[in-house]
Amino acid sequence: DVKVTQSSRYLVKRTGEKVFLECVQDMDHENMFWYRQDPGLGLRLIYFSYDVKMKEKGDIPEGYSVSREKKERFSLILESASTNQTSMYLCASSLMTEPYGYTFGSGTRLTVV
Amino acid sequence: DAKTTQPPSMDCAEGRAANLPCNHSTISGNEYVYWYRQIHSQGPQYIIHGLKNNETNEMASLIITEDRKSSTLILPHATLRDTAVYYCIVSVNQAGTALIFGKGTTLSVSS
Repeated sequence: DVKVTQSSRYLVKRTGEKVFLECVQDMDHENMFWYRQDPGLGLRLIYFSYDVKMKEKGDIPEGYSVSREKKERFSLILESASTNQTSMYLCASSLMTEPYGYTFGSGTRLTVV
Repeated sequence: DAKTTQPPSMDCAEGRAANLPCNHSTISGNEYVYWYRQIHSQGPQYIIHGLKNNETNEMASLIITEDRKSSTLILPHATLRDTAVYYCIVSVNQAGTALIFGKGTTLSVSS
């Protein structure tokens, strides 16, 4: 079964820490995405990548960066975690030829204290 | 702006058809309609998409009106495991690279 795997299901970090959220897909998809989901706000796009070493800002990139060194792996980095970054983070991937047919991971619930 | 209007919640009896409506009156000619669902504590799952014609797959059917201003997702025989938030999406972000999710419809299937 094809899948998108997020490294942690639950994560608790301290304010000011540098946080890495990892996402790996085994479908040879070109596109990878990071969204965050908050109650009442839905899913909001943070960053997107359509190829290795390529990235595009989404709607809320502030406070985040990303890394895509290999096609299958897309990392989200919180440079200095803050409490307002407490959220559910969802990674997704898709084919370039079917850009909106996403496969999502199960999510990482991050709490910043 | 998600550009779609969905009822916030719906109920359905197990074994009956669930018909989830979506209004997208400002849809443009080349925009697809996508449906996803999110079961509690999981990531959203792709269900189906369409442009003009009705579509059917192993999960659901999608009926798009002739003027394309609305659509209906049909789950022909709902089960308890179909309880989820269902998202109807026609919007992409400004760069045209990713879907914009709205608030969706919470479908509750009961026995």
